[in-house]
Amino acid sequence: NAGVTQTPKFQVLKTGQSMTLQCAQDMNHEYMSWYRQDPGMGLRLIHYSVGAGITDQGEVPNGYNVSRSTTEDFPLRLLSAAPSQTSVYFCASRRQGANQPQHFGDGTRLSIL
Amino acid sequence: RKEVEQDPGPFNVPEGATVAFNCTYSNSASQSFFWYRQDCRKEPKLLMSVYSSGNEDGRFTAQLNRASQYISLLIRDSKLSDSATYLCVVLTGTASKLTFGTGTRLQVTL
Repeated sequence: NAGVTQTPKFQVLKTGQSMTLQCAQDMNHEYMSWYRQDPGMGLRLIHYSVGAGITDQGEVPNGYNVSRSTTEDFPLRLLSAAPSQTSVYFCASRRQGANQPQHFGDGTRLSIL
Repeated sequence: RKEVEQDPGPFNVPEGATVAFNCTYSNSASQSFFWYRQDCRKEPKLLMSVYSSGNEDGRFTAQLNRASQYISLLIRDSKLSDSATYLCVVLTGTASKLTFGTGTRLQVTL
């Protein structure tokens, strides 16, 4: 029972590099989201998707792109990495419905030098 | 004003103590409420949902006060293993958007 799988778990980038954080879920959840977590800031929503082919911006979308070509996958792309994007990134999924809880991946620890 | 506010703590309590956390939310149209637990450098995990009538799960009791727009979590007979950060989570507006509080850190000591 894999749940939400994120790769990689750790990554170091140089300023200006691009990369994609992968996220996959095997629970057939409609909703998927990307968050970043910084000390003292809590979890902040970057982008989210309510279904394949549909994405929308969250609270802090600048510098990130997403796509949702399948129900299972929701990759997050950093277009040109900046030190301010150093953070822990969590992917999450949940079923449609008000009382459905969020399931999180293990997180990706990203450092931008 | 933040959408979801929590006292960051830390709350340092001895084993066996009872501890309570509060959380306030700003949007009166909020629909669903949860408490999550997050251990250091780990992902958040659902502790319990919060229902209007209040609900209990073992040593944990959650309460919702819609009139005052706050949620509480009570932990009885604290264990060392309860040491973690507790996140208050509120669902508002579109069903896909959850807002997380910054968390309250609990440290249970011998």
